Amino acid sequence: EVQLLESGGGLVQPGGSLRLSCTASGFTFSRDAMSWVRQAPGKGLEWVSAIRSIGGSAFYADSVRGRFTISGDNSRNTVYLQMNSLRAEDTAIYYCAPCQVWGTGWCNYFDPWGQGTLVTVSS
Amino acid sequence: DIQMTQSPSSLSASVGDRVTISCRASQTITTYLNWYQQKPGKAPNLLIYGASTLQTGVPSRFSGTGSATDFTLTISSLQPEDVATYFCQQGSSTPLSFGGGTKVEIK
Repeated sequence: EVQLLESGGGLVQPGGSLRLSCTASGFTFSRDAMSWVRQAPGKGLEWVSAIRSIGGSAFYADSVRGRFTISGDNSRNTVYLQMNSLRAEDTAIYYCAPCQVWGTGWCNYFDPWGQGTLVTVSS
Repeated sequence: DIQMTQSPSSLSASVGDRVTISCRASQTITTYLNWYQQKPGKAPNLLIYGASTLQTGVPSRFSGTGSATDFTLTISSLQPEDVATYFCQQGSSTPLSFGGGTKVEIK
């Protein structure tokens, strides 16, 4: 059974930093791409970032590019999201999820999802 | 970037009713369209991928149709446990994007 456990969320002041972690079990981490998706309180889902296991290419939403960095550690089956220069609008639950492929491409849909970790940016 | 628009934003229906939710992409995504169910306080759960392929374990009352820019999620007979918010998501190109969600309630 695939399981994902996110951690690292918390309360941080605007301009501060946090590093989120997502540790996976039950699948071959190094073969999959991984993504982070967030959900602001009472709002919809927003894709944030993804990293390809092959080559380690990283992709970002415009809203976080230049402030967030995704990385992976295959030996620990863990993906990280380093978040710098945090803003109030980054307040959200952050979910990690493996990218799954259907047809062509490298990240077509997300399954399964972790339980999420809450990031609150406030003074 | 591809924009995803869902309608309606909410609906209320009776147990046993047929429910349909629409999702439109701002440009063609062939069949790279996925549907998720999110119950209150829980993480999203994949229902359908590739526009019409039911994820393992998902009840057969759920179905998906469509291609290019217009897609539909149908619940053939609404059950109390289907109360949730439903999101579509395009997997055609980055940035991957979601619809705004449809909240389904029991009348």
